[in-house]
Amino acid sequence: AQSVSQHNHHVILSEAASLELGCNYSYGGTVNLFWYVQYPGQHLQLLLKYFSGDPLVKGIKGFEAEFIKSKFSFNLRKPSVQWSDTAEYFCAVNNNAGNMLTFGGGTRLMVKP
Amino acid sequence: NAGVTQTPKFQVLKTGQSMTLQCAQDMNHNSMYWYRQDPGMGLRLIYYSASEGTTDKGEVPNGYNVSRLNKREFSLRLESAAPSQTSVYFCASSDELKQPQHFGDGTRLSIL
Repeated sequence: AQSVSQHNHHVILSEAASLELGCNYSYGGTVNLFWYVQYPGQHLQLLLKYFSGDPLVKGIKGFEAEFIKSKFSFNLRKPSVQWSDTAEYFCAVNNNAGNMLTFGGGTRLMVKP
Repeated sequence: NAGVTQTPKFQVLKTGQSMTLQCAQDMNHNSMYWYRQDPGMGLRLIYYSASEGTTDKGEVPNGYNVSRLNKREFSLRLESAAPSQTSVYFCASSDELKQPQHFGDGTRLSIL
């Protein structure tokens, strides 16, 4: 069975600080990787995805993530966070059949103005 | 531009009561999903429907049943609610199983 670990449960940053959220997965086969964001009181929205090709993926709102296959990692980064980035972030992994999207436990990010 | 619509948004049940959560999508997606979200555990897949007419168990199916009524609608039923089923339930849909999923606003369910 596949699993996803997000190491940081809570992160507090000041505006303009750089962000990196860790995500590691366990699954031996081909995977599809996602980061979703859940703003307070809202539903999950897709930030970015990786299926194949360039392992550095750019998403919406200035976010990017890098797939490092040898480390089974898909860390999320943003050079300079804003107060509006305050949200919960979820890493998710799908096997290539696509029938089991597994989420990490989430990371709550608070950005102080 | 509704996307994925879930009803109700909030519900309180007593132990042993039954309830059906409704979900409808207007994006002509083939695949639909039900998740529960519990603090610190992310979202866990309860059941999914790869296409109209099919349903399959996910990670935590016990205590739940689903019906893919048609291409648009996918309902989740709790036959005899238990306090352990207190959670926020999300419905999602996607064009195909591997594609990114679009989520509804969730149903906050409390079982006393």
